Amino acid sequence: DAGVTQSPTHLIKTRGQHVTLRCSPISGHKSVSWYQQVLGQGPQFIFQYYEKEERGRGNFPDRFSARQFPNYSSELNVNALLLGDSALYLCASSLVGQVGSEQYFGPGTRLTVT
Amino acid sequence: KNEVEQSPQNLTAQEGEFITINCSYSVGISALHWLQQHPGGGIVSLFMLSSGKKKHGRLIATINIQEKHSSLHITASHPRDSAVYICAVRRGGGATNKLIFGTGTLLAVQP
Repeated sequence: DAGVTQSPTHLIKTRGQHVTLRCSPISGHKSVSWYQQVLGQGPQFIFQYYEKEERGRGNFPDRFSARQFPNYSSELNVNALLLGDSALYLCASSLVGQVGSEQYFGPGTRLTVT
Repeated sequence: KNEVEQSPQNLTAQEGEFITINCSYSVGISALHWLQQHPGGGIVSLFMLSSGKKKHGRLIATINIQEKHSSLHITASHPRDSAVYICAVRRGGGATNKLIFGTGTLLAVQP
C-alpha cells in the first residue's frame, strides 16, 4: 500500500504569489494534518481536517487555508506569499482524528519563496 | 520556553556506541512520539507511547509521566542511524491529534 503522498516535492515561488500543496492520505485514513517546518526548527501545526471538517487550527495567519475532499485528500493554500513562508510543508494522515491515533507523515513539499 | 525540549541538540558518536536522547515536556499529554527525519525531510514514526517502555530492534523508548520525561536509546549505533530525532507530544484532552514538536537532535554516527 502506498504511504502518504505529497505533491509537488519542490516548488519555487515569488513573493505575493499563491501556492497550492496537495496531500493524499494512506488508503482508509480519514484525517489529514498539515505542519510547517522552517529550517532548523521542529514542525509547527497548521491545520487538521477530519471527515472534511476543520478539526484544529494552529497559530497561522488567514493567508493559510486548507480543505479536505470527499476522497480524504487535502489541499493547503497559501496566499500572498512572504519570504518567511519558505519551509518544508509536511502532511500527516491518521485513521481517525482523535487523540490516540498514530500519524503517518508524507515526504513533504519544500517551498522556496524568493 | 518551548513546551517540548530536547537534549542534546547535536550528538556525534562512534559506531557501536550506546546513544541516549532526552525529551522533557511541560504540558499534560496523552501520548509522546519519537520520530526520525533524514536529510530531504521525510519523517518516520519510530514510537508512540503513553507509559512505560517500548523496544523495536536496536531502539528503546521510555517515558516517565510523573517526571514529564522521555528517553530514546540506540544500542550498537551504526552510521545509518545518522538523522534528526524528534520528540513530539500530543496534549491530553481536546478533539485534535495535533502534535507539538521539539526542535530535534541531530545525530551523526561515525564509522
